Amino acid sequence: SQQGEEDPQALSIQEGENATMNCSYKTSINNLQWYRQNSGRGLVHLILIRSNEREKHSGRLRVTLDTSKKSSSLLITASRAADTASYFCATERNTGFQKLVFGTGTRLLVSP
Amino acid sequence: ETGVTQTPRHLVMGMTNKKSLKCEQHLGHNAMYWYKQSAKKPLELMFVYSLEERVENNSVPSRFSPECPNSSHLFLHLHTLQPEDSALYLCASSQDALGVANYGYTFGSGTRLTVV
Repeated sequence: SQQGEEDPQALSIQEGENATMNCSYKTSINNLQWYRQNSGRGLVHLILIRSNEREKHSGRLRVTLDTSKKSSSLLITASRAADTASYFCATERNTGFQKLVFGTGTRLLVSP
Repeated sequence: ETGVTQTPRHLVMGMTNKKSLKCEQHLGHNAMYWYKQSAKKPLELMFVYSLEERVENNSVPSRFSPECPNSSHLFLHLHTLQPEDSALYLCASSQDALGVANYGYTFGSGTRLTVV
């Protein structure tokens, strides 16, 4: 299975702190993507990192990718209460039709 | 709104009912997807449509029947469902289903389905 697995399953921090979530996967990929989901809503795409990239930034988000270890991390700096959500990594395989395979997610709680 | 609209937002149906979920996108995307999200499980890909052709069917029971009449609309027809089919059903679209993605998927807000 190419399923991504996020770690930790749940993370609770204070506003202003940094939040780091990790993702591991099993097979070769074209890219890895991170999504955010507010409770009971759809997923929102945050960032895509290609297999030949090692680091990418978008605002307060920093994503790293280590293809040798088949792992990725998402760092949210200076977190806010509004960042409270579930965060999922998704991997796109490098054969066949594009399809994203999602992990089980990390639930992030940011307290004021 | 993300550009992908799902209706209804909530649906309660009996096991003998027939209902349909609707998804609509006007983003000019060529691929559309149905995902199922159950509690404490990863999102499960159900169906993939590329240019209105079904290209993937992940061993989904026949009580779920997709339909893609054009590149902007996707339906999921439901009949004789089971209580374990209760979940959040998410529709998504992307520019293409073939080749390497340069952009992420755009998801709708989902339909919360409860089978009683």
